Amino acid sequence: QSVLTQPPSVSAAPGQKVTISCSGTSSNIGNNYVSWYHKLPGTAPKLLIYDNNKRLSGIPDRFSGSKSGTSVTLVITGLQTGDEADYYCGTYDSSLSAVVFGGGTKLTVL
Amino acid sequence: QVQLQESGPGLVKPSETLSLTCTVSGGSISSYYWSWIRQPPGKGLEWIGYIYYTGTTSYNSSLKSRVTISVDTSKNQFSLRLNSVTAADTAVYYCARGIPPYPWGQGTLVTVSS
Repeated sequence: QSVLTQPPSVSAAPGQKVTISCSGTSSNIGNNYVSWYHKLPGTAPKLLIYDNNKRLSGIPDRFSGSKSGTSVTLVITGLQTGDEADYYCGTYDSSLSAVVFGGGTKLTVL
Repeated sequence: QVQLQESGPGLVKPSETLSLTCTVSGGSISSYYWSWIRQPPGKGLEWIGYIYYTGTTSYNSSLKSRVTISVDTSKNQFSLRLNSVTAADTAVYYCARGIPPYPWGQGTLVTVSS
């Protein structure tokens, strides 16, 4: 059971938009910055978004992050087949003094 | 840019100790937090713990009784020891820099089996 809650899977057609949600509490998302990671099988997670909405250098502006209260959202527009991957949100939990992740969301581009 | 590389045995027997080392290149370990994170087969990411270069540590409460993370600034390395392992500790183990963790090492698969 992950501290942060993500939908197990999302899907959309190429060229469309998809949103991935991540919900938590005031001890984690509500009062700390959130990051988003892209992960392919057999490879290390790749940081996409940090500080809730800042794109890492080199990440296309098709990827965007936002935060509202104790939830964050990753939006991917202009979906490409190469975007198929698992996406994880992560942040610091001040009550646990721990880094916490969501359970991951598998994106399928139909 | 900074790169991280995990090293250690890929097979550990049940009840024994898992030991991994992360070597940091392209930058000094004498700043930032340094984490260990794992991913069991078919499951999500699990943070194990982190160490600051000064030696301050924080561990996942579910693993705290079995985990030790240490740092060797002279070698630009930090290490993980996980005691009394079981099959449930089989996972790809990653080391990473900072909070949020980035960048990450490529990961190393550790299998717990007799």
